[in-house]
Amino acid sequence: NAGVTQTPKFQVLKTGQSMTLQCAQDMNHNSMYWYRQDPGMGLRLIYYSASEGTTDKGEVPNGYNVSRLNKREFSLRLESAAPSQTSVYFCASSRAPGTQYFGPGTRLLVL
Amino acid sequence: AQSVTQLGSHVSVSEGALVLLRCNYSSSVPPYLFWYVQYPNQGLQLLLKYTSAATLVKGINGFEAEFKKSETSFHLTKPSAHMSDAAEYFCAVSVWAASGGSYIPTFGRGTSLIVHP
Repeated sequence: NAGVTQTPKFQVLKTGQSMTLQCAQDMNHNSMYWYRQDPGMGLRLIYYSASEGTTDKGEVPNGYNVSRLNKREFSLRLESAAPSQTSVYFCASSRAPGTQYFGPGTRLLVL
Repeated sequence: AQSVTQLGSHVSVSEGALVLLRCNYSSSVPPYLFWYVQYPNQGLQLLLKYTSAATLVKGINGFEAEFKKSETSFHLTKPSAHMSDAAEYFCAVSVWAASGGSYIPTFGRGTSLIVHP
């Protein structure tokens, strides 16, 4: 039981490049979430998915897209990376009301 | 909309001293409340949660938190700090979002706990 896994662990991009962050959970959870964590800002919700086939915007969705591929997988795509998207990205899943299980994070640097 | 305020971005205590991390929230409906802990270069882990069963909630590693509705607070305490408690602590409130069909959490900005020997 791996819980929530994320790939890659670390990535460097140039401004304008695109990339997809992958997330998978093996806990049979319905809800999945993408956050970004910046110093002094806590975690801010980018997008979430209540169930397979549905996605909704969170607090900071601009510049990102998501895909809920199936119940296990929820990917985050940056179409044209900008330096402001330098951050640590966390994926989480949830079954019980509100309790979140987090992945180890992806550190993204956009030059 | 809900919000979470954590007082103090850094809290410093001596080993063996009381730990008190403050959290106040605002929510238009009864919320679920959480404390998470984050060790360096790791994801967040659930420390404890309040789901309306009891106002005093016990979590892992000797931590506990008390829900005070009148004060809209959910402060985290531990009687005696240990060096291994040094980490970032996040308070979170979660409410049901009917439009999205899911519980949506809002996190505080975090408090870094520093433990001195």
